[in-house]
Amino acid sequence: QSVLTQPPSVSGAPGQRVTISCTGSSSNIGAGYDVHWYQQLPGTAPKVLIYGNNYRPSGVPDRFSGSKSGTSASLAISGLQAEDEADYHCQSHDSSLSGSKVFGGGTRLTVL
Amino acid sequence: EVQLVESGGGLVKPGGSLRLSCAASGFTFSSFNMNWVRQAPGKGLEWVSSISSSSSSIYYADSVKGRFTISRDNAKNSLYLQMNSLRAEDTAVYYCARDDCIRTTCPLTWGQGTLVTVSS
Repeated sequence: QSVLTQPPSVSGAPGQRVTISCTGSSSNIGAGYDVHWYQQLPGTAPKVLIYGNNYRPSGVPDRFSGSKSGTSASLAISGLQAEDEADYHCQSHDSSLSGSKVFGGGTRLTVL
Repeated sequence: EVQLVESGGGLVKPGGSLRLSCAASGFTFSSFNMNWVRQAPGKGLEWVSSISSSSSSIYYADSVKGRFTISRDNAKNSLYLQMNSLRAEDTAVYYCARDDCIRTTCPLTWGQGTLVTVSS
């Protein structure tokens, strides 16, 4: 069981907007720790997509956006494209175990 | 260009040992905190261990504490994970990852991973 909870899968048609939720608790997201999002294309390593809750690294399209409120965070993808089909993982920290990083279980995005 | 290249994965029997290595290049390795993160087949990511830039702070997930040891050699630009008493549930792709801090927030930059299979 992952510390952060994500839906196992989401889907959308090209051009549509989808959101992926990441739910934590008062010891991680709710404690004020930043949330990062990673995109993992099939057969490859994860790559940072959103860092510090809502910042995009250079090269990431502005179709991708992140937000955080209370004990949850969300990743929104607008103008869906076939190349967005991938697994998406959220990550934060947790105060219950010193130095720990915690992840969600990952969400598979299917572009219909 | 930042490069993290893992090696040392393979097939090992339950109860056996394996040592993973991560060769870093393209950045000042000694300035960065480093991590191991694993991903079991078809599963999500799981943090395994972290080590500070000078090795002064080391942390482990409860699932590996007492069995795995993280270390680094800044002179060789290398990160290691010694894995003992391996179990079937340790089967995973193991990623080396750098804390890529930007101001006060630290997302991870990842290597390509190395597969560890624990099976008799």
